[in-house]
Amino acid sequence: DSGVTQTPKHLITATGQRVTLRCSPRSGDLSVYWYQQSLDQGLQFLIQYYNGEERAKGNILERFSAQQFPDLHSELNLSSLELGDSALYFCASSVQGAAYGYTFGSGTRLTVV
Amino acid sequence: ILNVEQSPQSLHVQEGDSTNFTCSFPSSNFYALHWYRWETAKSPEALFVMTLNGDEKKKGRISATLNTKEGYSYLYIKGSQPEDSATYLCAFNNNDMRFGAGTRLTVKP
Repeated sequence: DSGVTQTPKHLITATGQRVTLRCSPRSGDLSVYWYQQSLDQGLQFLIQYYNGEERAKGNILERFSAQQFPDLHSELNLSSLELGDSALYFCASSVQGAAYGYTFGSGTRLTVV
Repeated sequence: ILNVEQSPQSLHVQEGDSTNFTCSFPSSNFYALHWYRWETAKSPEALFVMTLNGDEKKKGRISATLNTKEGYSYLYIKGSQPEDSATYLCAFNNNDMRFGAGTRLTVKP
């Protein structure tokens, strides 16, 4: 157990629907990051939050949004889902700062049918 | 180099062989370079975080070097074992963490 908890582990939903992925960071970590891994693709950075505030944005679609709550857990909302959104979504947390490694959760596998 | 590039894309070695992979990254505005080990059906695990030019890190049979001036890092595995089979990711940390596509290592018994 890495200390980063992601739920659910698997999600199957239909096109056009909306889903919410949840992440609880490792105790003491203030930063949360979301990554997407599509088939045969590397880890694509989506968005970062630090202590409730958005810090950096990557290749995140307008249909996707995220937030970090006062208890530091984070949610990634994916709406108007398309087949191409099927992917493994990872959450990672860290102490803020470039010199600190990330601790990854086990991921949520989203399948859009 | 605008992105993080890793080579080779994949590597097949025999048990006992030593091997190394390369990570190239932008040499300007360097903050840190990370190496992760990613086994199939698991999540990436941090191996090393390197911040200074000339840094060398070691963990058991795995070691890494860093050259920030020319923008590359090498990961070495000495005496590869089947349990070393995984994808090795490097990530360049400059405000956000950009990951390379990884080197997939397969060690045959």
